[in-house]
Amino acid sequence: GNSVTQMEGPVTLSEEAFLTINCTYTATGYPSLFWYVQYPGEGLQLLLKATKADDKGSNKGFEATYRKETTSFHLEKGSVQVSDSAVYFCALKSGQGAQKLVFGQGTRLTINP
Amino acid sequence: DSGVTQTPKHLITATGQRVTLRCSPRSGDLSVYWYQQSLDQGLQFLIQYYNGEERAKGNILERFSAQQFPDLHSELNLSSLELGDSALYFCASSADYNTGELFFGEGSRLTVL
Repeated sequence: GNSVTQMEGPVTLSEEAFLTINCTYTATGYPSLFWYVQYPGEGLQLLLKATKADDKGSNKGFEATYRKETTSFHLEKGSVQVSDSAVYFCALKSGQGAQKLVFGQGTRLTINP
Repeated sequence: DSGVTQTPKHLITATGQRVTLRCSPRSGDLSVYWYQQSLDQGLQFLIQYYNGEERAKGNILERFSAQQFPDLHSELNLSSLELGDSALYFCASSADYNTGELFFGEGSRLTVL
């Protein structure tokens, strides 16, 4: 079945550090890929998405490139801020139906000033 | 603010009891989803409704049921509660029924004692 594997957290960085959160997937067909972010006390928000191979999604300084050859969708940001502290979820959707939207376990990121 | 409203935000009850969680989707969204978030299971899809009809079912227990009303709000009913049902229950909505771009509410935190 379809699945998403994220790097285990928690991840702790200093402000202005470079961020990478790894995400790899297993899926049949050609999935769409997503990163969601959950700030403390809030629901998940869509951060960025990519719908086909080599697409790059970007938003709020975050980027992720859909790599079909390595089945990966790693999240990167060049210079993180304290306000980026949150839990980040990688997700994929492959096929029809809401049950086909599969989330990773989430990676908790803490940025220290 | 995602536009998705969930009530109550917090709920504490005893084993064996029944509770109802309520969700109002974003204005114009026809599709409503319910997810359960727990520390050990991560984010689990429960059920989806689209314009009043059940559209997809995930790992929803038989003790749980949901419905979507003509005004598009949805309720998730949890009965014969067990300690293991303690979790954060999220509602999400979308305009389309087959999208990976969901808008999440802030969640209802259920504690079963």
